[in-house]
Amino acid sequence: EDQVTQSPEALRLQEGESSSLNCSYTVSGLRGLFWYRQDPGKGPEFLFTLYSAGEEKEKERLKATLTKKESFLHITAPKPEDSATYLCAVQRFLNFNKFYFGSGTKLNVKP
Amino acid sequence: NAGVTQTPKFQVLKTGQSMTLQCAQDMNHNSMYWYRQDPGMGLRLIYYSASEGTTDKGEVPNGYNVSRLNKREFSLRLESAAPSQTSVYFCASTSGLHNEQFFGPGTRLTVL
Repeated sequence: EDQVTQSPEALRLQEGESSSLNCSYTVSGLRGLFWYRQDPGKGPEFLFTLYSAGEEKEKERLKATLTKKESFLHITAPKPEDSATYLCAVQRFLNFNKFYFGSGTKLNVKP
Repeated sequence: NAGVTQTPKFQVLKTGQSMTLQCAQDMNHNSMYWYRQDPGMGLRLIYYSASEGTTDKGEVPNGYNVSRLNKREFSLRLESAAPSQTSVYFCASTSGLHNEQFFGPGTRLTVL
């Protein structure tokens, strides 16, 4: 059965304290893995797409990486404005119109 | 560009009432989606439409119907609302080319 698991469920960091969020997946025939940011009361906002193991993407303080079993979202020297819920989603080659989401990691960065 | 818009933003229903959630996108996207988001459960796909004229079931379609009215609009209907349908509903669209999804602001639905 296809599964997407995110850990931890919640993460509290001090401003400037770097860390990583994990998204592990058991999906046959991965076409793409996506990271989204969701602020309270809003819809998810796209961050990155990763297609193959070894691929990395960066945007400001965020870097996403992908292996054959998991993806990491590394947050370097976070700021309070990075506080949000981060969601990952996977897409299979077979029926690529469907996306499977994890339950998210709620990040709180304290000043 | 407004992106993906959803109406209404909030709705309270009584058990057994019906309603339609509206979604529209102005990005000329082919695919559109309806998700529900419940605490601790992430986003679960209700229905999707890969292109105008087609609709397919997702993970949790029971109790819902959809209509792809045209390329821009994709509506979700609850025929007889139940308390288990209390949730936040998100509509999304994708061009199909780059695959990232664009989400609307959500509809917060409470069924009493």
